[in-house]
Amino acid sequence: KAGVTQTPRYLIKTRGQQVTLSCSPISGHRSVSWYQQTPGQGLQFLFEYFSETQRNKGNFPGRFSGRQFSNSRSEMNVSTLELGDSALYLCASSPGGVAVLYEQYFGPGTRLTVT
Amino acid sequence: KQEVTQIPAALSVPEGENLVLNCSFTDSAIYNLQWFRQDPGKGLTSLLLIQSSQREQTSGRLNASLDKSSGRSTLYIAASQPGDSATYLCAVRGQYSGAGSYQLTFGKGTKLSVIP
Repeated sequence: KAGVTQTPRYLIKTRGQQVTLSCSPISGHRSVSWYQQTPGQGLQFLFEYFSETQRNKGNFPGRFSGRQFSNSRSEMNVSTLELGDSALYLCASSPGGVAVLYEQYFGPGTRLTVT
Repeated sequence: KQEVTQIPAALSVPEGENLVLNCSFTDSAIYNLQWFRQDPGKGLTSLLLIQSSQREQTSGRLNASLDKSSGRSTLYIAASQPGDSATYLCAVRGQYSGAGSYQLTFGKGTKLSVIP
């Protein structure tokens, strides 16, 4: 079974631009979560989607948004990029439903650098 | 608010040594705890998942224990190898956030170096 895939793997953007990251979960998984990882803050939860609905959101500004499609693939968008948005963005999938019971499987991440 | 702490932040051991990584959490009302491994610049690899009703889980040379009442978990690695060098993170699932979602809170990890 293929793992979680994320595209692109690396991105360099300029301050003020916007960016869209993509995540394809493991086949059959319906829950997708996004995390931001930085050296200073560690892993911070962004949001979780299940069956095309956002069911949880972390403490990030409205510049960070996401969506999930009917095939469970998910995208996250960051508008008006700031230097502090430079980070590794990780996507994780799980079977969904009662998410508390399941392991999270992570993708390789997208390394975003904002200059 | 749940807080997860991992001590030490970094650990260096000679090859072959057995070692223990520690994870503590402030709110004992958790549903499960998961240990991950992260290689530099890479995503997370799930190692072990312990449900709140369990005391330990084993996979190969890895053994994770959970003491929910005291807010602690340990990851035991037997006969360490250079290939075990990575950052190990623990994450706890708890705090119902509504709409069927339960927050997953991570520690900042322990960076392990196994010296040949």
